[in-house]
Amino acid sequence: AQTVTQSQPEMSVQEAETVTLSCTYDTSESDYYLFWYKQPPSRQMILVIRQEAYKQQNATENRFSVNFQKAAKSFSLKISDSQLGDAAMYFCAYRSAPGYALNFGKGTSLLVTP
Amino acid sequence: KAGVTQTPRYLIKTRGQQVTLSCSPISGHRSVSWYQQTPGQGLQFLFEYFSETQRNKGNFPGRFSGRQFSNSRSEMNVSTLELGDSALYLCASSLVIDRVPETQYFGPGTRLLVL
Repeated sequence: AQTVTQSQPEMSVQEAETVTLSCTYDTSESDYYLFWYKQPPSRQMILVIRQEAYKQQNATENRFSVNFQKAAKSFSLKISDSQLGDAAMYFCAYRSAPGYALNFGKGTSLLVTP
Repeated sequence: KAGVTQTPRYLIKTRGQQVTLSCSPISGHRSVSWYQQTPGQGLQFLFEYFSETQRNKGNFPGRFSGRQFSNSRSEMNVSTLELGDSALYLCASSLVIDRVPETQYFGPGTRLLVL
């Protein structure tokens, strides 16, 4: 079974600064998808960004970008120009290409200070 | 386009009872997945439905079951509730291309408390 590890239970960043959240995963598959989801206090899980393993180019969505290192099985999320609204729990998730289930990490709680 | 909706949002039950949770997917999404979120175990996959068929199931006891209707709406049922079933139950829907689900979009969840 694939495992997803988020080694940082909590992170803190000042408004307007940049922060990077780490994620590693374990798989023997070559084709898969990786995701970052954000869960604010409302508990609504919101998709932040998605990366296909076959794409070498790192995904970017506005202030959010990833550093995908397939050989190292690493998938970090960089948040630039952090805003108060970015405060949330961030989950890294893995899904095999023909599969259905998302395997989630334990999450990283991000605190944004003014 | 409306998002994934889940009803009810909050539920309190007692041990031994059963409960049914409902999920309406985004229009056009035919795959529905269910997840359980607890502080101890985190987010765990329950099952996935497509075309009224359960295609995959996580490691949960038979007390957890579900179904999907022809309009893609889904329900999950938990029978003989235990205290450990207290959790946030999340539903996610996705488009399906070549029978493979695309990105999953989540509903707001149903918070179940078992007393």
